[in-house]
Amino acid sequence: GAGVSQSPSNKVTEKGKDVELRCDPISGHTALYWYRQSLGQGLEFLIYFQGNSAPDKSGLPSDRFSAERTGGSVSTLTIQRTQQEDSAVYLCASSFSREWGHTDTQYFGPGTRLTVL
Amino acid sequence: AQRVTQPEKLLSVFKGAPVELKCNYSYSGSPELFWYVQYSRQRLQLLLRHISRESIKGFTADLNKGETSFHLKKPFAQEEDSAMYYCALSGRDFNKFYFGSGTKLNVKP
Repeated sequence: GAGVSQSPSNKVTEKGKDVELRCDPISGHTALYWYRQSLGQGLEFLIYFQGNSAPDKSGLPSDRFSAERTGGSVSTLTIQRTQQEDSAVYLCASSFSREWGHTDTQYFGPGTRLTVL
Repeated sequence: AQRVTQPEKLLSVFKGAPVELKCNYSYSGSPELFWYVQYSRQRLQLLLRHISRESIKGFTADLNKGETSFHLKKPFAQEEDSAMYYCALSGRDFNKFYFGSGTKLNVKP
């Protein structure tokens, strides 16, 4: 079946504009993660969705960042009033489950490269 | 606080030489450790996880709780091993995965 897909693959925007990044997880995967990968940095956890539970938003760097997951499937990461430091590759990953005490393999999407001018 | 440290940004070895990519972590609970790999122009993908205790593409990693390490090793590196390698930590009591900053492995012919 299809893997995790993300769109757009590249996004160039001007400082101050809002952007939306989309993630389509693997069908049936209940857990969905967003990460940010900056040049020379590791993967920075942003947010985690599991089923119908409240998302873990503890990694969001500021209130300009938000994410939602509709119908337990597609997720959108929104960055408002973008800044140059938001430039990075945004990765989405999904897994079958992430119950307490049990970790499933994460499957990553190809990422969206965001450039803020 | 949980943390994953990969001290080497770049590791260059010759084909056929042994390779060890270092990973140290800090976590007081029961950790789950992973190695992820990203080949050029490909997606990040799982290489191996400590609970599986298996060898993937000739790579192995042993969790050493005493030294809080999870180093990735391969006795004879191949050119196709050239990639970016990330060590990651998860645990029973939190949802997040903590990734290290990554080590770029360059295997020279």
